[in-house]
Amino acid sequence: GDSVTQMEGPVTLSEEAFLTINCTYTATGYPSLFWYVQYPGEGLQLLLKATKADDKGSNKGFEATYRKETTSFHLEKGSVQVSDSAVYFCALRITGGGNKLTFGTGTQLKVEL
Amino acid sequence: GAVVSQHPSWVICKSGTSVKIECRSLDFQATTMFWYRQFPKQSLMLMATSNEGSKATYEQGVEKDKFLINHASLTLSTLTVTSAHPEDSSFYICSAGTGTDTQYFGPGTRLTVL
Repeated sequence: GDSVTQMEGPVTLSEEAFLTINCTYTATGYPSLFWYVQYPGEGLQLLLKATKADDKGSNKGFEATYRKETTSFHLEKGSVQVSDSAVYFCALRITGGGNKLTFGTGTQLKVEL
Repeated sequence: GAVVSQHPSWVICKSGTSVKIECRSLDFQATTMFWYRQFPKQSLMLMATSNEGSKATYEQGVEKDKFLINHASLTLSTLTVTSAHPEDSSFYICSAGTGTDTQYFGPGTRLTVL
């Protein structure tokens, strides 16, 4: 079946540090890949997405590149801020499989001054 | 942006009682709504998909008689956990879609069954 594996958290960084959250996937078909972010007390929000191999999704300084050869979609940011503290979820959706999303377990990020 | 609300945000109930959770799309019409369940340190698991005016489609292993889903309008879906037991304690999250590939998520409802 389809699955998404994320690195376990929490990840604790100092402000302005470089962030990488690893995400790998297995898919029965051709997936689109997503990163969602959940701030405390709020619902998940779409952060970025990529729909085909080698696409790079980017938003708010975050980037992730769809790597088919390594089945990965790692999330990166060059300089994190305290306001980036949240839980980050990697997810996939199979093309032609409706709107069903398969999520990873989420990675909590804590950014300290 | 599109906003989805859930009510209540948390609920505690006695074993054997039923609990209803509401999911509303506040500023858009949702043709499809999704219900997820999340256990601590685990991923969101899709329970069911509902389209307005039709029966929900449940994922394998989800008891449709226990988790009743109603999607009576384009802005409201409800999940009723019937005869709740402690093992039903979880975080329930809904999302709403407009027919595009984007889902908008509610903030979740924490259910604790004593």
